[in-house]
Amino acid sequence: SAVISQKPSRDICQRGTSLTIQCQVDSQVTMMFWYRQQPGQSLTLIATANQGSEATYESGFVIDKFPISRPNLTFSTLTVSNMSPEDSSIYLCSVSDGLNEKLFFGSGTQLSVL
Amino acid sequence: AQKVTQAQTEISVVEKEDVTLDCVYETRDTTYYLFWYKQPPSGELVFLIRRNSFDEQNEISGRYSWNFQKSTSSFNFTITASQVVDSAVYFCALSEANFGNEKLTFGTGTRLTIIP
Repeated sequence: SAVISQKPSRDICQRGTSLTIQCQVDSQVTMMFWYRQQPGQSLTLIATANQGSEATYESGFVIDKFPISRPNLTFSTLTVSNMSPEDSSIYLCSVSDGLNEKLFFGSGTQLSVL
Repeated sequence: AQKVTQAQTEISVVEKEDVTLDCVYETRDTTYYLFWYKQPPSGELVFLIRRNSFDEQNEISGRYSWNFQKSTSSFNFTITASQVVDSAVYFCALSEANFGNEKLTFGTGTRLTIIP
């Protein structure tokens, strides 16, 4: 099984600032996924990140707001830009074992925007 | 478009009772995968099971069992002899079967509380 480390685990940020969340996997994976879980809500996919290409964003999410980097097969970052209180959520990264057998999730980053 | 419905928002049962969590899905794909995840109060998502659309056999793992019925587009999850440690939010999810495209559509979750 993949072990996923996410940093930071939580942060409190001021409106208008940006936060970069890191996701490190202990094995090489083709695709990494970023999800958002708003308070008391389900998980919503933000984007899919392939190594060496631009991320693919889901409807309602744009690159200017959530830029993603994927410099290699074990690492990705998600930036939440120009934050507002509505961005207060848990952000999770996810990877597949490659066979669609299991999808593993990081422990999440709990973001609060004041 | 894919959709997952978990109609039960919250369930409370007394310890040792059995409890079933419902999941109904919609998809136009003929091949797809269904998942259940557990999210305890600590927040991490714990993988419980994956089922592909061609495998309608029910599965049992200890106190957990899953009933997949394609005819009713349901994938229900039963916990037998519930324990306090089962208290969590449980999510049902659906994904396409394309290799390399394992993005999930989640239901809204069911918050399960086991009362000691």
